[in-house]
Amino acid sequence: AQKVTQAQTEISVVEKEDVTLDCVYETRDTTYYLFWYKQPPSGELVFLIRRNSFDEQNEISGRYSWNFQKSTSSFNFTITASQVVDSAVYFCALSSNRDDKIIFGKGTRLHILP
Amino acid sequence: DTAVSQTPKYLVTQMGNDKSIKCEQNLGHDTMYWYKQDSKKFLKIMFSYNNKELIINETVPNRFSPKSPDKAHLNLHINSLELGDSAVYFCASSQDRDGGDKAFFGQGTRLTVV
Repeated sequence: AQKVTQAQTEISVVEKEDVTLDCVYETRDTTYYLFWYKQPPSGELVFLIRRNSFDEQNEISGRYSWNFQKSTSSFNFTITASQVVDSAVYFCALSSNRDDKIIFGKGTRLHILP
Repeated sequence: DTAVSQTPKYLVTQMGNDKSIKCEQNLGHDTMYWYKQDSKKFLKIMFSYNNKELIINETVPNRFSPKSPDKAHLNLHINSLELGDSAVYFCASSQDRDGGDKAFFGQGTRLTVV
């Protein structure tokens, strides 16, 4: 069975601090995809990144970076120099070629304090 | 241009009523989904359709009936509403059914059953 675990339910940091959101996944498939979505207080789900299982290169997009490590089945997300607008619930998610759905973790609620 | 649009955004209704939520995507995608987000923010897939064909039904009560008149639309009809149906319902679409494509989400419909 496929599973996504986000062990951190809620995190609070002061603005400008760096913060890492953890994501650990389980799958038996060799071809799979990992995602991060952001859900700001307004409620919509915003796509941030997709990674396939054959691409372990880390990715950086502005203040956001992602660390994919197959050896530990983790796909962690780091926000550098956090800002108040980063406050949201962040979901890690998983899908595979054999499964026609995206499975979400339970989300991490991130509070950035001014 | 809204990619995935749901109506209504808010829906308040009494127990026992029947209601529908409409979803339309203008992305030309082949696959559409319904997800339910409960009060703890947990996102769980309910249904998936590919080219109007049901491909996933995640043991949702049969009071919930999706209908896909064409591949751009996936509506959700709920009969005999119960208090436990209160949640935010998200429609989503993706290009392919293999799970590898990112999903584009609608803005959500907050259903409150009183």
